Amino acid sequence: QQPVQSPQAVILREGEDAVINCSSSKALYSVHWYRQKHGEAPVFLMILLKGGEQKGHEKISASFNEKKQQSSLYLTASQLSYSGTYFCGTVYQAGGTSYGKLTFGQGTILTVHP
Amino acid sequence: KAGVTQTPRYLIKTRGQQVTLSCSPISGHRSVSWYQQTPGQGLQFLFEYFSETQRNKGNFPGRFSGRQFSNSRSEMNVSTLELGDSALYLCASSPGLAGGAYNEQFFGPGTRLTVL
Repeated sequence: QQPVQSPQAVILREGEDAVINCSSSKALYSVHWYRQKHGEAPVFLMILLKGGEQKGHEKISASFNEKKQQSSLYLTASQLSYSGTYFCGTVYQAGGTSYGKLTFGQGTILTVHP
Repeated sequence: KAGVTQTPRYLIKTRGQQVTLSCSPISGHRSVSWYQQTPGQGLQFLFEYFSETQRNKGNFPGRFSGRQFSNSRSEMNVSTLELGDSALYLCASSPGLAGGAYNEQFFGPGTRLTVL
């Protein structure tokens, strides 16, 4: 079952902030965030793991609410280079571990204008 | 380090044919995952291989299969192609034992498959 992302699209001016949300109806082991620019491969932004561990790029901020099975990606002081489609991917908690099966949301299209 | 490479980059096939796509992961990565990306369905997980073993499989018909070799290179095969198989097929590799569930995935540029 796919996680649900909101909003579906965001339009910003440079310097503005945005929040992209990702929610799941199933218990999560981890939440992953990727950005994909048009015609390019997805690029890793961050992983948030159950228990509080985070791995990712310093300039990216995100949260993971384990009780609500929700994650949010915070984009502050946006730049033109932030434009692209943002995907959250979830790995569901199943028994002890769950290897490698990422289920991606539909994506959020972010457009930053000068 | 060289990134993930996929060949071919573009492919045109007709219905009923079969196709094999290849992926070379980043050196040292033993986990390789495959995804199908279409405008309507987004990014969908196909399968993940680790040390030549399939660890996870997505909800795709048996026409979609894959394998991994001892050097971690991976191939995926689609038999009896249908129009709906037209998509961008992405391969991603990850370091470590847990692969993409715990670590960053590095995506290749993809193979654009068109089925006529």
